[in-house]
Amino acid sequence: DTGVSQDPRHKITKRGQNVTFRCDPISEHNRLYWYRQTLGQGPEFLTYFQNEAQLEKSRLLSDRFSAERPKGSFSTLEIQRTEQGDSAMYLCASSSGEQPQHFGDGTRLSIL
Amino acid sequence: QKEVEQNSGPLSVPEGAIASLNCTYSDRGSQSFFWYRQYSGKSPELIMFIYSNGDKEDGRFTAQLNKASQYVSLLIRDSQPSDSATYLCAARRINNDMRFGAGTRLTVKP
Repeated sequence: DTGVSQDPRHKITKRGQNVTFRCDPISEHNRLYWYRQTLGQGPEFLTYFQNEAQLEKSRLLSDRFSAERPKGSFSTLEIQRTEQGDSAMYLCASSSGEQPQHFGDGTRLSIL
Repeated sequence: QKEVEQNSGPLSVPEGAIASLNCTYSDRGSQSFFWYRQYSGKSPELIMFIYSNGDKEDGRFTAQLNKASQYVSLLIRDSQPSDSATYLCAARRINNDMRFGAGTRLTVKP
């Protein structure tokens, strides 16, 4: 049983650039979640998918953020025109229905 | 007010003692509750989940839920140095998104 896989593990980019992260959930999980975590804080909910449908999106999520899950399997999270405040760990989690979520190792984003 | 509140700690207990971690939540519509352990630089790892009022035990861990008081706790018996980590409390709302507390940092001293 492979866990949730995220790529890349670490991304360093200049302010203003676009970045894209990928998440591969546990294969039988139909729900996929994206979170952002900064130092000393718990994960902050960004958005979630059930199969290919994006069902919830945080009101705090800027228009620069977009997520897709085109075939109900892997998902991508894109941040356009990155800002210093986007520096964080981006976590993906998946679950099967109402079961608990399991997290991937995350992608650490550093904005220069 | 944050939706899920935890004492940030640090909480320090001697090896072999009981560690008690507490959490309160504000959304009465929250359906289920989770405790995750997070080591520094790592991702959260599920420890326990609880859906009904009362206690739920799993090995050295006991989760307690009181929906009337909007209170969740985690007890760790016979604490070990390897239990030293940040413990995150999370509440899942009726629309399925999860709200996390900021975490309580636990240190177990040998």
